[in-house]
Amino acid sequence: AQSVSQHNHHVILSEAASLELGCNYSYGGTVNLFWYVQYPGQHLQLLLKYFSGDPLVKGIKGFEAEFIKSKFSFNLRKPSVQWSDTAEYFCAVNVPGNTGKLIFGQGTTLQVKP
Amino acid sequence: DAGITQSPRHKVTETGTPVTLRCHQTENHRYMYWYRQDPGHGLRLIHYSYGVKDTDKGEVSDGYSVSRSKTEDFLLTLESATSSQTSVYFCAISETAGELFFGEGSRLTVL
Repeated sequence: AQSVSQHNHHVILSEAASLELGCNYSYGGTVNLFWYVQYPGQHLQLLLKYFSGDPLVKGIKGFEAEFIKSKFSFNLRKPSVQWSDTAEYFCAVNVPGNTGKLIFGQGTTLQVKP
Repeated sequence: DAGITQSPRHKVTETGTPVTLRCHQTENHRYMYWYRQDPGHGLRLIHYSYGVKDTDKGEVSDGYSVSRSKTEDFLLTLESATSSQTSVYFCAISETAGELFFGEGSRLTVL
């Protein structure tokens, strides 16, 4: 069965620090990869997605992620975080054509101190 | 934002009572999903639908049933609520097997 692992459960950074959140998945075939963000009290919103092509994907609000197939990883990065990036971040994966079911990681809570 | 409405948004109920959560979409998307969100577990799929009257189980389906009689509505029913079903429930929709759009969530407390 597919699974997604996010290694950092709670990250605390100061503003302007760089961010990298780890995500690894277990599935040997072709996958679609996603990062979602949930701001306090809100629903999940898509940050970025990877289906195919350039493994470096740029998303909204200055976020990017790199797909490394050999490492089964899809890490999220941002060069300089802001207080408004405080949120919970979820990595997710699905198998193309598999009814769109997303398998989510456990989530990483990011707290950015002003 | 995608046109997804969940109701009720908040509910407190007692153990053993039936509960129905409703998800209504105005996007005419084919796929609809119910997830629950719990601390330390992320989001876990309860049930999903790939068309009217076509539903299937997710990874945590025990104690839940669903129905989809119309494209726009996807109901999640807890036949006899238990305290372990206290959670935040999210409905999501998708047109293609890819990006999901989420509703605002329904917070359920079972006493």
